Amino acid sequence: QVQLVQSGAEVKKPGASVKVSCKAFGDTFTGHYMHWVRQAPGQGLEWVGWMNPNSGGTNFGQKFQGRVTLTRDTSINTAYMELIRLASDDTAIFYCVTGSASGRMEFWGQGTLLTVSS
Amino acid sequence: SYVLTQPPSLSVAPGQTATLPCGGINIGTEGVHWFQQKAGQAPVLVVYDTTGRPSGIPERFSGSNSENTATLTISRVEAGDEADYYCQVYSSKSDSFVFGSGTKVTVL
Repeated sequence: QVQLVQSGAEVKKPGASVKVSCKAFGDTFTGHYMHWVRQAPGQGLEWVGWMNPNSGGTNFGQKFQGRVTLTRDTSINTAYMELIRLASDDTAIFYCVTGSASGRMEFWGQGTLLTVSS
Repeated sequence: SYVLTQPPSLSVAPGQTATLPCGGINIGTEGVHWFQQKAGQAPVLVVYDTTGRPSGIPERFSGSNSENTATLTISRVEAGDEADYYCQVYSSKSDSFVFGSGTKVTVL
């Protein structure tokens, strides 16, 4: 089993960038796809993107293309999501979650609250 | 883009069966995943690949899929089942993953 622990809450101004980390315990994530999911306050789940564990390749939801970068440091079992050009409607909880190529998202982080406000 | 349609809410009495639909064009040809999210918590996978059940998920949770509607069935509903439930599939057309808008289940 994998336990994912995410970095703490962030407060950013519009136009700024944020980088959220996600550290895996109990297993490495090199064999699992790492998805990121966004949930705005009181809203549903929205897929941000994923990283292929074998190639390191990435893919993103259309809404996030050009604004998000996914990276990883396998030496410390940590994945990162960077989002640039933040706007107020980016205020949300961001989750990292390990899963499969089919979208089976099984192990979720606790979520990181991002607040974008001037 | 591919759209998954879920009713916003459903109320069910304890001990009864809750049937949660998830509509999508030709969804019957896709593997569907279902997530339970209780208030203030991260989502939990309750059904994967339409009918699979992760370790630790009660047998009361089951999934099915046909033509344009996938269904999550919760048998013998308990108070602890009160939560939001989301369906999710992979859309090959957009090469992305799509979530339904979610159904809030209230246990009376």
